[in-house]
Amino acid sequence: TQLLEQSPQFLSIQEGENLTVYCNSSSVFSSLQWYRQEPGEGPVLLVTVVTGGEVKKLKRLTFQFGDARKDSSLHITAAQPGDTGLYLCAGNTGTASKLTFGTGTRLQVTL
Amino acid sequence: AAGVIQSPRHLIKEKRETATLKCYPIPRHDTVYWYQQGPGQDPQFLISFYEKMQSDKGSIPDRFSAQQFSDYHSELNMSSLELGDSALYFCASSLTGTGVAGGPTGELFFGEGSRLTVL
Repeated sequence: TQLLEQSPQFLSIQEGENLTVYCNSSSVFSSLQWYRQEPGEGPVLLVTVVTGGEVKKLKRLTFQFGDARKDSSLHITAAQPGDTGLYLCAGNTGTASKLTFGTGTRLQVTL
Repeated sequence: AAGVIQSPRHLIKEKRETATLKCYPIPRHDTVYWYQQGPGQDPQFLISFYEKMQSDKGSIPDRFSAQQFSDYHSELNMSSLELGDSALYFCASSLTGTGVAGGPTGELFFGEGSRLTVL
């Protein structure tokens, strides 16, 4: 059973458009992280959220953690081709040492 | 700054052969994780080590084993390789207690991965 479901799975948009990626679970997470992965490379951490309702901004990226700490969203404003990649949310339940990754959202931004 | 180093970057093996992947975590990180990522899939947790002891186990086949050595580097050993073992294998490291809220799991830093192809 996949603990973290991401939507959409695939997204192809043009440069300058806005988009939102969702990460949903029935489990409560003590912290949730967002990673971006480019082909053939390891995931790179973008942000960690830990408090319900928390909003964090990283330039054109806005991350939000749901009040119940079961879901999160990533909003990208004015997407650029450099944003292309696989976006993964990953949660930690606090009782285990591992992260569980979401199903991933593959984003392609074209000119 | 030093990152997680994995070797080899690429490995080609035949069915039923054995393969060993190595991981050198970021200095002073105390936890090492191994993940397997098949084509078009998200990373699947295999196993982790904290201070050289196995700390958590995921969907790691019985044909695979791993250990962490005194210098904190880790090795993933895969025997009786099958076609389905072809994947990217990532190692990650973290420092316990350095999470944003000081939680058990600090942020994971991933290596560039080892691509295993089984023919």
